[in-house]
Amino acid sequence: DTGVSQNPRHKITKRGQNVTFRCDPISEHNRLYWYRQTLGQGPEFLTYFQNEAQLEKSRLLSDRFSAERPKGSFSTLEIQRTEQGDSAMYLCASSFDSLQPQHFGDGTRLSIL
Amino acid sequence: AQSVSQHNHHVILSEAASLELGCNYSYGGTVNLFWYVQYPGQHLQLLLKYFSGDPLVKGIKGFEAEFIKSKFSFNLRKPSVQWSDTAEYFCAVNKNTGNQFYFGTGTSLTVIP
Repeated sequence: DTGVSQNPRHKITKRGQNVTFRCDPISEHNRLYWYRQTLGQGPEFLTYFQNEAQLEKSRLLSDRFSAERPKGSFSTLEIQRTEQGDSAMYLCASSFDSLQPQHFGDGTRLSIL
Repeated sequence: AQSVSQHNHHVILSEAASLELGCNYSYGGTVNLFWYVQYPGQHLQLLLKYFSGDPLVKGIKGFEAEFIKSKFSFNLRKPSVQWSDTAEYFCAVNKNTGNQFYFGTGTSLTVIP
């Protein structure tokens, strides 16, 4: 169990630029979740995959956000035309199934200049 | 809308003191309940979980939590805290029929040696 890996750890970009984050879940885990966490708040659910299928998306996920998990393994989260309000920690978690606990990565901190 | 409330935002205790952190949720149906901990510089880790059965659940490091359905609560307890318990604690709820997880805003615990 090598844990959930997220890259990069920190991304600094100018407003209006596109950014992409990567998450490598624990290898046998079918479920993959993306969350966003801002200062003083708990993680907010963004979206969830069962293998390669994206099964749920939060209303928080605007049209500028897109997530993929093309082969049911790693996942990417892309934010287009970044805005100041996108500054946050983006967390990825994975689990074997709905009854098993989620394992979280260290997150990618996005800073918008 | 689904919500999870953690009323204690910051708790400061001396070592050996007893701990109780409150968690209340708003969903009326069947839920799964979790407490996660985030130690300084580390990722979120599961402390304990409740799915069904005995409403008093025991987790790692001497923590326990009690599910009181009538009060929509899942409070976390530890009889005697240690300095190493200094961390951020998050309560989370997952509806039994869904895949979205809802986290509280977190409680920061500082234990003074």
